[in-house]
Amino acid sequence: NAGVTQTPKFQVLKTGQSMTLQCAQDMNHEYMSWYRQDPGMGLRLIHYSVGAGITDQGEVPNGYNVSRSTTEDFPLRLLSAAPSQTSVYFCASSPPTGPPTPLHFGNGTRLTVT
Amino acid sequence: GDSVTQMEGPVTLSEEAFLTINCTYTATGYPSLFWYVQYPGEGLQLLLKATKADDKGSNKGFEATYRKETTSFHLEKGSVQVSDSAVYFCALGDQGAQKLVFGQGTRLTINP
Repeated sequence: NAGVTQTPKFQVLKTGQSMTLQCAQDMNHEYMSWYRQDPGMGLRLIHYSVGAGITDQGEVPNGYNVSRSTTEDFPLRLLSAAPSQTSVYFCASSPPTGPPTPLHFGNGTRLTVT
Repeated sequence: GDSVTQMEGPVTLSEEAFLTINCTYTATGYPSLFWYVQYPGEGLQLLLKATKADDKGSNKGFEATYRKETTSFHLEKGSVQVSDSAVYFCALGDQGAQKLVFGQGTRLTINP
């Protein structure tokens, strides 16, 4: 049972480059989300999705795009990377509805933008 | 908006010491409260949760009680082990929503 799988684990980009962080889950969870983790700031929500075809912005969406064409996949796109996007990125998923249910997290992608 | 404040870290203790990590929150509704743990190189894992006032969440010897009157959800453990060394995050989630708001995290190191 793979859970939430993120690729790549590490990535170095130059300023202005673009890339896509991949996230896939095999638990048939409808809710998926992306967080970034920065020292002293905890995790901040970038974008989330409550189901295929539906996405919405979180707390820090600028510079990032998402799409949700299938239940399983929720990629995060950086169109033009900036040093301020150096961070550790976590994808998470959970079942839908009712009181907030625990999120299942991937192991993260460590991104460095030079 | 909703927010979570955790005690400043890092925290260093000796094995078998008593642990408290403070967490207070601000929320407009009646949120569910969570503690997550992050071991080195891994993602976050749910440690325990409480969904209403006076509920006590517990797991692996850790406990936290949802105190509405003091808007707190402090994490405690009576006797810590070296294997408890990790970063601990307090979080809240509003009813009917899956978005979580996290505290800044507290790094805990246990020395043998």
